[in-house]
Amino acid sequence: EIVLTQSPATLSLSAGERATLSCRASQSVSSTYLAWYQQKPGQAPRLLISGASSRATGIPDRFSGSGSGTDFTLTISRLEPEDFAVYYCQQYGGSPPVTFGGGTKVEIK
Amino acid sequence: QVQLQESGPGLVKPSETLSLTCTVSGGSISSYYCTWIRQSPGKGLEWIGYIHSTGSINYNPSLKSRISMSVHMSKNQFSLKMTSVTAADTAVYYCARGVWRLDPWGQGTLVTVSS
Repeated sequence: EIVLTQSPATLSLSAGERATLSCRASQSVSSTYLAWYQQKPGQAPRLLISGASSRATGIPDRFSGSGSGTDFTLTISRLEPEDFAVYYCQQYGGSPPVTFGGGTKVEIK
Repeated sequence: QVQLQESGPGLVKPSETLSLTCTVSGGSISSYYCTWIRQSPGKGLEWIGYIHSTGSINYNPSLKSRISMSVHMSKNQFSLKMTSVTAADTAVYYCARGVWRLDPWGQGTLVTVSS
């Protein structure tokens, strides 16, 4: 099983600040199969990034993804009030084929 | 646009079978993967498995002995069954389109296992 470790578990920031979220895999993951999701309280997760760096339809360009191999990053360039949420990374490959990270909560400082 | 909606009983007794349906609207499910994911209260996301509209399946090995998925083309629906449920199966269950790129997701349905 490919284990995804997200850090930090909680990120306390103010609106307007830059957020950098990390996702580290226990073994190499194809960039094609690395995605990021945003989840707000009481809502389903929403796809933000697929293919490690491609924004999904309608996702603002303040969200960007990067990385390869075992280290991936989601960056929010300037936090807007609606960006405070939990973020999950997800990979496809191995057995089971799909695993999620434990999540990073971005909270208001 | 395509929308997914989960439905099923919100309360299931221990040892019984959980049955959920994912109804797709706004498009045909032909050549379509449906993935099931669950989230225990206050916890992270757990992949349950996926099914293709042709019936091809892939289940989480940790749940494989208790789950089955099916597709109902005429109804534009996918189904999930989980047998012998326990309190540990209490969670919000989601369906989503795709396999490695899950989009969109249904709103989720809370299933509580309790007598």
